[in-house]
Amino acid sequence: AQSVAQPEDQVNVAEGNPLTVKCTYSVSGNPYLFWYVQYPNRGLQFLLKYITGDNLVKGSYGFEAEFNKSQTSFHLKKPSALVSDSALYFCAVRDNDYKLSFGAGTTVTVRA
Amino acid sequence: EPEVTQTPSHQVTQMGQEVILRCVPISNHLYFYWYRQILGQKVEFLVSFYNNEISEKSEIFDDQFSVERPDGSNFTLKIRSTKLEDSAMYFCACSRAFEYEQYFGPGTRLTVT
Repeated sequence: AQSVAQPEDQVNVAEGNPLTVKCTYSVSGNPYLFWYVQYPNRGLQFLLKYITGDNLVKGSYGFEAEFNKSQTSFHLKKPSALVSDSALYFCAVRDNDYKLSFGAGTTVTVRA
Repeated sequence: EPEVTQTPSHQVTQMGQEVILRCVPISNHLYFYWYRQILGQKVEFLVSFYNNEISEKSEIFDDQFSVERPDGSNFTLKIRSTKLEDSAMYFCACSRAFEYEQYFGPGTRLTVT
């Protein structure tokens, strides 16, 4: 069975400060890891993924994430947050099957 | 940039009625999925579909649910006899290949009264 934990329901940062959204996962095989963002009344938008290779992956809108196998983590980061980054962020994992398992989501609020 | 579209955006139905939720996936994608999100809960996998057959389904996807790709462009989810607990946001998704990321539609909010 696969699962994802996002330990923080909410993250609040000031614009221009670094943003980190935490994610840990559990899978039986090699993980496929993803981050999605959801804006109000919109679907889930793909941000970035880790399949294999370099542990630091870069994605859309200046986001990046670091895969840490020993800590089973895949934290999302942005060096300098914008007010427009305020949204709901989901971490997701796949094992060697089709389904994505999602975390509960973290609401990010970036204040001006 | 190609997008996944879903219709309707909101569907209200009475308990026991049949509903069909429609999706138009991205044109060159081969794998199709339905997920749902009950208000305040996690996004949950329902079913995946490839090569005109179900490749995987969750325990939620019981005999009341079915999926179809009737005409090579649409992908539908049918709920035969809706229950109150089927009220949720239903998301369609697609991917180009098995190992690729899934792209999601905006969702259909289903309300069963």
